[in-house]
Amino acid sequence: GAVVSQHPSWVICKSGTSVKIECRSLDFQATTMFWYRQFPKQSLMLMATSNEGSKATYEQGVEKDKFLINHASLTLSTLTVTSAHPEDSSFYICSAGSGIYEQYFGPGTRLTVT
Amino acid sequence: SQQGEEDPQALSIQEGENATMNCSYKTSINNLQWYRQNSGRGLVHLILIRSNEREKHSGRLRVTLDTSKKSSSLLITASRAADTASYFCATDARSGAQKLVFGQGTRLTINP
Repeated sequence: GAVVSQHPSWVICKSGTSVKIECRSLDFQATTMFWYRQFPKQSLMLMATSNEGSKATYEQGVEKDKFLINHASLTLSTLTVTSAHPEDSSFYICSAGSGIYEQYFGPGTRLTVT
Repeated sequence: SQQGEEDPQALSIQEGENATMNCSYKTSINNLQWYRQNSGRGLVHLILIRSNEREKHSGRLRVTLDTSKKSSSLLITASRAADTASYFCATDARSGAQKLVFGQGTRLTINP
């Protein structure tokens, strides 16, 4: 089956620094990737839709200058949390689309900002 | 924006019993999917039901969809301790390609 990886699986950073999270589709090409954020005991909230070679589409309320998304190839999308603050601490999950309906999720990245 | 509501928010049952979770949504959909998430982990796709389907089975899972009521249910039969997880429904609106909107989720605990 289709596999999506994320790196790192967890990261701790200091307030004010930037953190990059990678999402890779390992055995298929993904024209579209999605980034979600999940706070403890809550559901997934879509942050942005990333299409290869074009600018990401951000959901309402998500700061595009704070959460930089790059989808440079059909197998890699990156999310950079810039000037991270403690309130950015969360579980970030990516998914990669293959076909019309199929969407495969990565294992998630736990970000803790101290 | 979130459009799915799930109930119950939490469910605790004995091993061997059946577990039923419900999901409601607001807009017209192409498909509805159910996912499982173990604590601190990614999502595992369980089953997809299309808007023109009413019921679907996969192993111990049974999903129903009532588009007139904009609701779906997930039944897990003969539950096992390993079924302990959070379960989410997700819908893709007809207007948005592939974009999924997740329900609030049900935290299921199976007691041995």
